[in-house]
Amino acid sequence: DQQVKQNSPSLSVQEGRISILNCDYTNSMFDYFLWYKKYPAEGPTFLISISSIKDKNEDGRFTVFLNKSAKHLSLHIVPSQPGDSAVYFCAASALGAGNMLTFGGGTRLMVKP
Amino acid sequence: DTGVSQNPRHKITKRGQNVTFRCDPISEHNRLYWYRQTLGQGPEFLTYFQNEAQLEKSRLLSDRFSAERPKGSFSTLEIQRTEQGDSAMYLCASSLGAAQSEQYFGPGTRLTVT
Repeated sequence: DQQVKQNSPSLSVQEGRISILNCDYTNSMFDYFLWYKKYPAEGPTFLISISSIKDKNEDGRFTVFLNKSAKHLSLHIVPSQPGDSAVYFCAASALGAGNMLTFGGGTRLMVKP
Repeated sequence: DTGVSQNPRHKITKRGQNVTFRCDPISEHNRLYWYRQTLGQGPEFLTYFQNEAQLEKSRLLSDRFSAERPKGSFSTLEIQRTEQGDSAMYLCASSLGAAQSEQYFGPGTRLTVT
């Protein structure tokens, strides 16, 4: 039973345009959500997070939106740059669960020059 | 470099052998996590420590797997009698103990069981 799903395995975007990566979850106990970026042969790198008490968090070119009623979150990257090409994972944790993360399967983003 | 470090980065072993991996977390972090990632999947939680106490273990962690964090600093993950299905990337992460604190990952140890 996948509690966190990223339904798009890949996404291709032109440099300078917006990249939108989506994530759905099923566990209503999740209250903290994170996005990680992963390059080949490296560990995941933390990008941005959002608590369930918020619906938006912004950090530079990265914005995460949370829609609790739909159990959906998205990561917007504006403007996209070739260096953003990587695999992006969304992850979620539940209060009282020791912050253990449940990850989605990832979306490979390719930003074309 | 004050990030999370893992050793070795790569390990090739024959089926049936034992292997041990080491993780050194960020020094002020009191929580340490182990995850496993197979090709095309996201990382899956294995176990975590609060200081030296192992507080949670996934059902993925069979009896052949054991983890320790003896002094609340570095941690080791041992796999006994390795099987081909153990081939994966083993990731370590650390975080502050506060609720809703992000986890920082090391580069991982890639295990190949032949």
